[in-house]
Amino acid sequence: QKEVEQDPGPLSVPEGAIVSLNCTYSNSAFQYFMWYRQYSRKGPELLMYTYSSGNKEDGRFTAQVDKSSKYISLFIRDSQPSDSATYLCAMMDSGAGSYQLTFGKGTKLSVIP
Amino acid sequence: DAGVTQSPTHLIKTRGQQVTLRCSPKSGHDTVSWYQQALGQGPQFIFQYYEEEERQRGNFPDRFSGHQFPNYSSELNVNALLLGDSALYLCASSLQNTEAFFGQGTRLTVV
Repeated sequence: QKEVEQDPGPLSVPEGAIVSLNCTYSNSAFQYFMWYRQYSRKGPELLMYTYSSGNKEDGRFTAQVDKSSKYISLFIRDSQPSDSATYLCAMMDSGAGSYQLTFGKGTKLSVIP
Repeated sequence: DAGVTQSPTHLIKTRGQQVTLRCSPKSGHDTVSWYQQALGQGPQFIFQYYEEEERQRGNFPDRFSGHQFPNYSSELNVNALLLGDSALYLCASSLQNTEAFFGQGTRLTVV
């Protein structure tokens, strides 16, 4: 079992739809949770950064973390064609001298005009 | 703010050769991490540098080595290139262990 599982999609939605992206993980030591957006052949762009459980909202984006279920989500409201990209979840356990990000495989999203 | 910059953007090397990739961190950042991203996969952690020392290493062979300079910039060196080393190499910088920001990557093709 991989440490971080993410459905690779592809996911195709009409413009204006609410998009839900999810990851599950097995390592209960993960404390920091991130979502990155990656356009084709570009570097990942940090969208959301959260610590422990709870919700965080930034514009059209909402990140949710449920540590009891080992489940994180990213919601995109009023999706736009410019949101078409691959979305990567990433996690970090900063305890015990661990500094690496562990990524999911990414979900490819297409928003159709 | 220039963000994280990497050079070169693209590179083609022959199997068995050696390659050096370079990274300048975001202004104010002191920590640099390197990741390898194969096509269709998430980035895989290679190693992290802090205070010019390798602080943590992922599951990569010794052919992968690095360096951090006093100005916090960093290099990734790969020796004895294999076809399987073809990937997008990403540099990420952060202040201590806070949010990591990535550069645009160097696309390495080994032929």
